[in-house]
Amino acid sequence: DGGITQSPKYLFRKEGQNVTLSCEQNLNHDAMYWYRQDPGQGLRLIYYSQIVNDFQKGDIAEGYSVSREKKESFPLTVTSAQKNPTAFYLCASTLGPSTDTQYFGPGTRLTVL
Amino acid sequence: GEDVEQSLFLSVREGDSSVINCTYTDSSSTYLYWYKQEPGAGLQLLTYIFSNMDMKQDQRLTVLLNKKDKHLSLRIADTQTGDSAIYFCARISGGYNKLIFGAGTRLAVHP
Repeated sequence: DGGITQSPKYLFRKEGQNVTLSCEQNLNHDAMYWYRQDPGQGLRLIYYSQIVNDFQKGDIAEGYSVSREKKESFPLTVTSAQKNPTAFYLCASTLGPSTDTQYFGPGTRLTVL
Repeated sequence: GEDVEQSLFLSVREGDSSVINCTYTDSSSTYLYWYKQEPGAGLQLLTYIFSNMDMKQDQRLTVLLNKKDKHLSLRIADTQTGDSAIYFCARISGGYNKLIFGAGTRLAVHP
C-alpha cells in the first residue's frame, strides 16, 4: 500500500529539547517537502529536497534542520532555537522536481510543554 | 504577505451546492489546486486545474478559473455532511514546486 507516513502522530517536547519528526514515502518520489501549519493559517514551507543528499531552505527554516540520506526518508529536526514550535507539521512529496502535484502525509502535531 | 486569499468560513445546508472562492495575485502559476483537510488529518488533493483551462469538472466538483480576475472557485454539488472540512486553495510558485496556500475555508454542512 503506497503512501506517505509520518510519525509520531502526537509529540510533546519540553522547552530546550530537540525533537525529530519522521517522514517516509514508498512512492518512489524524488522530491520531498516539510510544511508547518498554524491555526487559521495556510501552510508554510520549511525545507524541501529535490534529490537525495540535497535540500534547500524554505520560507521559515530558522530553528529547523533536515537530512536526506535516503530517497524514501526526509526527517525534520525541530531544534531548541525554534522559538514557537507548537504547530501541526506536514510532509509532502512529488514524483520529480518538475512534477507539480504534491501528496501529503497525515501530519504530526507537536506541542511544547 | 499572503498572495492567495480565501474567505474563512462557509455554512451550507445539506443537499445544497457550496461555492468556495479564492483569489491570487501572481498570474504566472501553471497549476492551481484545491486540497481538503479533515480535523487532525493531512491534506487530501481534491482536484487541480491547469492555467490554460477555464473549467474542470470531476463528479460533484467543478473548478472555475477566471484568469483575468485571478479568481478560482470550487463548487461542490449536493453537499453532504462528509464534505465538512477545511478547503485550501494553493498555487505553484517557483521552479521547485513550492506551494503557496490560502488560509483555508472552513465548510460547515448542517441538516
